[in-house]
Amino acid sequence: KAGVTQTPRYLIKTRGQQVTLSCSPISGHRSVSWYQQTPGQGLQFLFEYFSETQRNKGNFPGRFSGRQFSNSRSEMNVSTLELGDSALYLCASAHQAGGVYNEQFFGPGTRLTVL
Amino acid sequence: GQSLEQPSEVTAVEGAIVQINCTYQTSGFYGLSWYQQHDGGAPTFLSYNALDGLEETGRFSSFLSRSDSYGYLLLQELQMKDSASYFCAVRDRGAGNKLTFGGGTRVLVKP
Repeated sequence: KAGVTQTPRYLIKTRGQQVTLSCSPISGHRSVSWYQQTPGQGLQFLFEYFSETQRNKGNFPGRFSGRQFSNSRSEMNVSTLELGDSALYLCASAHQAGGVYNEQFFGPGTRLTVL
Repeated sequence: GQSLEQPSEVTAVEGAIVQINCTYQTSGFYGLSWYQQHDGGAPTFLSYNALDGLEETGRFSSFLSRSDSYGYLLLQELQMKDSASYFCAVRDRGAGNKLTFGGGTRVLVKP
């Protein structure tokens, strides 16, 4: 079974631009979560989608948004980029949303650099 | 709110044993998970404890004490490939079931 895939792997943008990141979950997984990882803040939860519905949202400004499609693929969008948005953005998939086993399968991430 | 505390770094030699502690504060607790992340790689799931006690999986074991809001990951017979960051994580019922990670413990294994 193929793992979680994320595109693009690397991205360089300038302040004020917007960016869209894509995530394809493991086949059969309906839950997709997004995380931001930075050296100073660690792994921060952005949002979780299940069956095209946002189930949870982290404490990020409205510039961060996402969606999930009927095939469970997910995208996240960051508008009006700021220098502080430079980070590794990780996507993780799971069979269920809020599953008690907490096992999530992570993709390799998209490294976003904002100049 | 919720918070998890774990040491930032641990150094040990090959063959040694390392214990990574994690204390947490949540308003509704489901269980404690552990993830491993090598530099440049993605986090991978190691273990999950929902009930008190020790769970053993090969060289790695994880322990939970719900009454103490405390858990640990035990790495035995350390190998060079165990050099990585280790994160504890909880899913908090009081916070909409979202998964929250600790800051991570960087384990450096020396020959």
